[in-house]
Amino acid sequence: GQQLNQSPQSMFIQEGEDVSMNCTSSSIFNTWLWYKQDPGEGPVLLIALYKAGELTSNGRLTAQFGITRKDSFLNISASIPSDVGIYFCAMEYGNKLVFGAGTILRVKS
Amino acid sequence: SQTIHQWPATLVQPVGSPLSLECTVEGTSNPNLYWYRQAAGRGLQLLFYSVGIGQISSEVPQNLSASRPQDRQFILSSKKLLLSDSGFYLCAWTRGVRTEAFFGQGTRLTVV
Repeated sequence: GQQLNQSPQSMFIQEGEDVSMNCTSSSIFNTWLWYKQDPGEGPVLLIALYKAGELTSNGRLTAQFGITRKDSFLNISASIPSDVGIYFCAMEYGNKLVFGAGTILRVKS
Repeated sequence: SQTIHQWPATLVQPVGSPLSLECTVEGTSNPNLYWYRQAAGRGLQLLFYSVGIGQISSEVPQNLSASRPQDRQFILSSKKLLLSDSGFYLCAWTRGVRTEAFFGQGTRLTVV
């Protein structure tokens, strides 16, 4: 099956710092999605990207769909304690929605 | 508005016992439905997905099965649970490709 490689696996950062994480695939896709999961809950969509090169923001979050269509990054600016959680990239092919292994974000206040 | 219900929230079952987890969606018709399993602090493994009543696609060989007896109902089952079936099970729905997935609150299953 399709695999998404997400890095880093985990991050422990100071409140106020900027965060960057990325996701790569060996295959080309038409959609990149970024989700956040709070502890004990289901993931919630943060940003959806549908075009190569697309750069989209949602508050302090910015994500880009790589030109090659094989990668995407997510940036969080000025992190705050509630940014804690697991961030997943996901992509769709056919009727499947497949997720990366996630980046665990921990923030020191 | 659309909502997704998943129950129970937590479940402790002995090895060898059967399992039935239910997921229902309200406020939409003909959704794509998904079952995922998540080990502690890890990614979401796609187990099954369904694009219509009675249509089930399995992603990994395992001790589990899924059924979709009604348009907005998705059931995850097992005849005999294994210790390795423990995990956090999430149901999700989408309207189709290129749309947002909405997740249920999850079921934490512990097999003892």
